Amino acid sequence: AQSVTQLGSHVSVSEGALVLLRCNYSSSVPPYLFWYVQYPNQGLQLLLKYTTGATLVKGINGFEAEFKKSETSFHLTKPSAHMSDAAEYFCAVSVIQGAQKLVFGQGTRLTINP
Amino acid sequence: ETGVTQSPTHLIKTRGQQVTLRCSSQSGHNTVSWYQQALGQGPQFIFQYYREEENGRGNFPPRFSGLQFPNYSSELNVNALELDDSALYLCASSLAGASFADTQYFGPGTRLTVL
Repeated sequence: AQSVTQLGSHVSVSEGALVLLRCNYSSSVPPYLFWYVQYPNQGLQLLLKYTTGATLVKGINGFEAEFKKSETSFHLTKPSAHMSDAAEYFCAVSVIQGAQKLVFGQGTRLTINP
Repeated sequence: ETGVTQSPTHLIKTRGQQVTLRCSSQSGHNTVSWYQQALGQGPQFIFQYYREEENGRGNFPPRFSGLQFPNYSSELNVNALELDDSALYLCASSLAGASFADTQYFGPGTRLTVL
């Protein structure tokens, strides 16, 4: 069964520091992978997605992620953290079982220290 | 272009009651998926509707049911509410219904509290 694991339920970085949020996937077929962000009391907003082609995917708000098949990883990075990046981040893999469903990780809460 | 909207924003019910949540899909989208997000967890897939038919279901009991209307809006109904049904219910709309690469666009959610 396809699944994702997010390493670290809580990550704290200083403003201006590198953000690295880890996601590893398990899939028997070529995976389609997504990162979503959830601000407090809001729904999910798509940051970026990997389908096929270029393994380095650029998203909104300066985020990017690199698909590494050999490591079964899809880590999310941002060179310089802003206070506004504080939120919950979810990695997800797309699964087809009749319908397309997203299988989400447990989430990583990102805190930015001034 | 109108995004995904959900109503109500918050809802409080007691055990055993029934609840209906509503979702309007993004303009041009014909597919609606529902997810349950318990506190501190990632969203869990409930089911998906494509052109008014349920075309996929997650591991949820039959007391979770839904509808999709000709304008592609949707309802989620939950009967015989249990305490564990307390969660944020998210609706997402998309274009194709059964494509790996489809992007699902999420609404703001309905926070259901069962007392």
